[in-house]
Amino acid sequence: GENVEQHPSTLSVQEGDSAVIKCTYSDSASNYFPWYKQELGKGPQLIIDIRSNVGEKKDQRIAVTLNKTAKHFSLHITETQPEDSAVYFCAASRHTGGFKTIFGAGTRLFVKA
Amino acid sequence: GAVVSQHPSRVICKSGTSVKIECRSLDFQATTMFWYRQFPKQSLMLMATSNEGSKATYEQGVEKDKFLINHASLTLSTLTVTSAHPEDSSFYICSARVGPGNTIYFGEGSWLTVV
Repeated sequence: GENVEQHPSTLSVQEGDSAVIKCTYSDSASNYFPWYKQELGKGPQLIIDIRSNVGEKKDQRIAVTLNKTAKHFSLHITETQPEDSAVYFCAASRHTGGFKTIFGAGTRLFVKA
Repeated sequence: GAVVSQHPSRVICKSGTSVKIECRSLDFQATTMFWYRQFPKQSLMLMATSNEGSKATYEQGVEKDKFLINHASLTLSTLTVTSAHPEDSSFYICSARVGPGNTIYFGEGSWLTVV
């Protein structure tokens, strides 16, 4: 069945360094790729998303890239800060042939001060 | 972004009782809402998809008679955990789909503790 693989499961970086989280999806009909940040005890918060007709999108310190041919998409966080510490989930979504969103397993990011 | 409100944020109930969790879309109409369960340090487990005015679609392994879902309006879906047991204790999260597109926004989550 369709799935989304997310790596790494845990990532520890020094404050100020960059962090990269990578996802691979299997459903070729996926056309929307959101990223969520979940802090402890809270619901996931949408932080950035990208659609299949775009290869890259940036919002301040956060950027996402998408390679549709390889079915890869990545989240890049630059100049990391301690408050970036959280669990990040990627997702692949489609609405043709029935709406479906599949989430990755999550990456626990630790930013050390 | 769109706001999804979930209530209560924390609830403690006795074994054998039922508890209801509400999920509201505050500034948009949500034809589709989703309910998830999340265990500590694990990913989101989709329990069911709720469409306004129709029966919910449950994922394999989720007991529909135990986890009752109602989506009576375009802004409200409820999850009722019936005859709760301690193993039902978990973090329950709802999300709502914005319009015909793909964007999904999550609620703040509800911690359920069954004693």
